[in-house]
Amino acid sequence: SQQGEEDPQALSIQEGENATMNCSYKTSINNLQWYRQNSGRGLVHLILIRSNEREKHSGRLRVTLDTSKKSSSLLITASRAADTASYFCATDARGGADGLTFGKGTHLIIQP
Amino acid sequence: DVKVTQSSRYLVKRTGEKVFLECVQDMDHENMFWYRQDPGLGLRLIYFSYDVKMKEKGDIPEGYSVSREKKERFSLILESASTNQTSMYLCASTPWPGRNTEAFFGQGTRLTVV
Repeated sequence: SQQGEEDPQALSIQEGENATMNCSYKTSINNLQWYRQNSGRGLVHLILIRSNEREKHSGRLRVTLDTSKKSSSLLITASRAADTASYFCATDARGGADGLTFGKGTHLIIQP
Repeated sequence: DVKVTQSSRYLVKRTGEKVFLECVQDMDHENMFWYRQDPGLGLRLIYFSYDVKMKEKGDIPEGYSVSREKKERFSLILESASTNQTSMYLCASTPWPGRNTEAFFGQGTRLTVV
């Protein structure tokens, strides 16, 4: 079953604007990760936030985690055309060696 | 540069054929995974392995098997390909124990079964 569910399913914004994507999950976790997938390619890791962290930054990315609400958000600031991709959240609810559980993704389109 | 390499980007096979999808990683990772990705369904775990000759079923193992004879190589086998196995297949690896570490993905194999 799907652990993470991203919202919205699709998002289209103008270049330079900020993009926010949300993820909800169902069970307790050790960490939550965000990945990016360019069209027809593999997934690339963006950022990992541990269950005892509330916020994390990496360049133009900001991730928040609210374990009481079982939700996370990914904010991309000052978006660029190259940010056009699908974004997935993933949790380790199965246990680390047993693989990540992914949501269905948010497809982000940055209009030039 | 760390790498997970899948043997084919695109593959077209006939119904009933035995299909091998190969994945090799050069990071000396213990854990390896096979996912399939379908529109509207996201990524679903097929099989995983945390050691040579070890394998564990994921969420959707039916119609698939795997082989891990060497640490760096993890093969996904479709014993008798069917059209409902047309999909994007993604291989990934993580170091042991796998907690609080990122997964490294291959570039994906888009398999079409006709």
